[in-house]
Amino acid sequence: RKEVEQDPGPFNVPEGATVAFNCTYSNSASQSFFWYRQDCRKEPKLLMSVYSSGNEDGRFTAQLNRASQYISLLIRDSKLSDSATYLCVVTHGGATNKLIFGTGTLLAVQP
Amino acid sequence: GAVVSQHPSWVICKSGTSVKIECRSLDFQATTMFWYRQFPKQSLMLMATSNEGSKATYEQGVEKDKFLINHASLTLSTLTVTSAHPEDSSFYICSARDTPREAFFGQGTRLTVV
Repeated sequence: RKEVEQDPGPFNVPEGATVAFNCTYSNSASQSFFWYRQDCRKEPKLLMSVYSSGNEDGRFTAQLNRASQYISLLIRDSKLSDSATYLCVVTHGGATNKLIFGTGTLLAVQP
Repeated sequence: GAVVSQHPSWVICKSGTSVKIECRSLDFQATTMFWYRQFPKQSLMLMATSNEGSKATYEQGVEKDKFLINHASLTLSTLTVTSAHPEDSSFYICSARDTPREAFFGQGTRLTVV
């Protein structure tokens, strides 16, 4: 079983739709949580950090449930430019604080 | 924001040869850098953690003698794929942090071994 699991998709949605991505992690010692975005053949870029209290950045809302070890990302009013792979990422902390990536969820926003 | 530069962006090499990939932090010092590999339609898999001035820490299943990592300065880490074979063809990405929270990634190197 992978440490960070996501539905690989693809999620095909029309412009303007609201779409939600889910992610679960198995290591209860995980300390920090992020959503990254990766465009085809490009490097990942940080979309937003995820906090227990939930956080919002424009059309994007992230939630963390530590008890259920579950992370979510909600995208409202989808744009064509939102089409990408969304990666759920956790860290264990410690000296190296390495990032552990989920498999990613592919989103395709259709005109 | 912080920038991580990776070079080359793509390389084609013959089977049996070695390929060196460089990762530089351009405007910050990185005592730790990370090397990832990504196969098509798969996520990034951590290969090793590169530590400035000391030996790299390799993830389980990654051959340290095949993937040589050198982190000689606070701004440069190199990954050398030795005796490359077609199954080593992949997208290799490095990352580094300038703060405890955000990691920045190099542009990636697409390696094709023929």
